[in-house]
Amino acid sequence: GAGVSQSPSNKVTEKGKDVELRCDPISGHTALYWYRQRLGQGLEFLIYFQGNSAPDKSGLPSDRFSAERTGESVSTLTIQRTQQEDSAVYLCASSLVRNEKLFFGSGTQLSVL
Amino acid sequence: QKEVEQDPGPLSVPEGAIVSLNCTYSNSAFQYFMWYRQYSRKGPELLMYTYSSGNKEDGRFTAQVDKSSKYISLFIRDSQPSDSATYLCAMSDFTGGGNKLTFGTGTQLKVEL
Repeated sequence: GAGVSQSPSNKVTEKGKDVELRCDPISGHTALYWYRQRLGQGLEFLIYFQGNSAPDKSGLPSDRFSAERTGESVSTLTIQRTQQEDSAVYLCASSLVRNEKLFFGSGTQLSVL
Repeated sequence: QKEVEQDPGPLSVPEGAIVSLNCTYSNSAFQYFMWYRQYSRKGPELLMYTYSSGNKEDGRFTAQVDKSSKYISLFIRDSQPSDSATYLCAMSDFTGGGNKLTFGTGTQLKVEL
């Protein structure tokens, strides 16, 4: 595709439910990143994929958060047993190779009620 | 103390003004510096990037890095209403093999007619 695509663009869920957020990177981009942006705060790194492997998961805030990538393409970020503090915009970015410029999607706005 | 500090603003300027946006950082390992622009409900868009101290110019935008002072700036000349957005500085030390970025909180800019 022409850019990084994320779905859904908005997600409202109830506390305790599981959610899945999807990212389609730019075709051919081998590196993929997930970030979280809370209201009024900068972006927080969550996880980095190189191909289908995740060499850096250091930003995942708890074991309720997990992510996978398949086919060196689509990635899914899963949040289990959502809490109100999980409310944020979740942004995905990709780059052609590691250490190159990141291109971001428009994000998924997650609201946990 | 955060690794990257950025004045959140908001900053309001008249059309045609020169805008100066700044970040300071504490991690001397940062070697890759970027400025992103983020419009409301959109993902960040890369404006400028540089690897070294000094100035880099691109049209109306100039990025300045002073590694000795751990200080970076973005200057916008002849500012336009379309420049109204949040500006995020970002930095990387290339640890973990990927381009994991550490972001400032962003400065909200409004350019008024």
